[in-house]
Amino acid sequence: GQQVMQIPQYQHVQEGEDFTTYCNSSTTLSNIQWYKQRPGGHPVFLIQLVKSGEVKKQKRLTFQFGEAKKNSSLHITATQTTDVGTYFCAGRITGGGNKLTFGTGTQLKVEL
Amino acid sequence: DGGITQSPKYLFRKEGQNVTLSCEQNLNHDAMYWYRQDPGQGLRLIYYSQIVNDFQKGDIAEGYSVSREKKESFPLTVTSAQKNPTAFYLCASSLADFQSYNEQFFGPGTRLTVL
Repeated sequence: GQQVMQIPQYQHVQEGEDFTTYCNSSTTLSNIQWYKQRPGGHPVFLIQLVKSGEVKKQKRLTFQFGEAKKNSSLHITATQTTDVGTYFCAGRITGGGNKLTFGTGTQLKVEL
Repeated sequence: DGGITQSPKYLFRKEGQNVTLSCEQNLNHDAMYWYRQDPGQGLRLIYYSQIVNDFQKGDIAEGYSVSREKKESFPLTVTSAQKNPTAFYLCASSLADFQSYNEQFFGPGTRLTVL
């Protein structure tokens, strides 16, 4: 079954509100990557985290990797309509080879 | 113009027919992947290949087959044994990541509908 879960599955926000999606793995991850898929499009790589407790920022986006390397979060400050899409986390399960396991995704809708 | 191409964008087939989805990349990547995307289930790995003439099963390989005869190409065949073939299929590639973790680049996808 799915080993990497994301919550929430859907999120509707008003433009300007903050948004957070959480990624939880049942097993330790070697790394975590985040991808964004616009409606009708394909996933595009955003960022990668490798170290325990690592935090990275890209403008209004803040990414965090948990201390136990089993969870991660993506926080968007002051959402804009351009943030609309589905956000996926993906990680390599320790001992699971070189394949990525993708999370279930969080679909974000931003209303004016 | 470098990238990954998948064709066609939309594909319709009758139940019981095999169908092959193409994936070509000119990024000089060693690794290539096939994912299936269904609503609410994220991306699930079907097959992946780290090098030419070698490939491994992913999490949902049953009913699918692949080949990797050329570095640039990784076609996926959806066989009649696949019980629920209607889905959005995504191909991706990356540098071979035996020592580090590399991002994956995705193609535009093929939406397969089996009637």
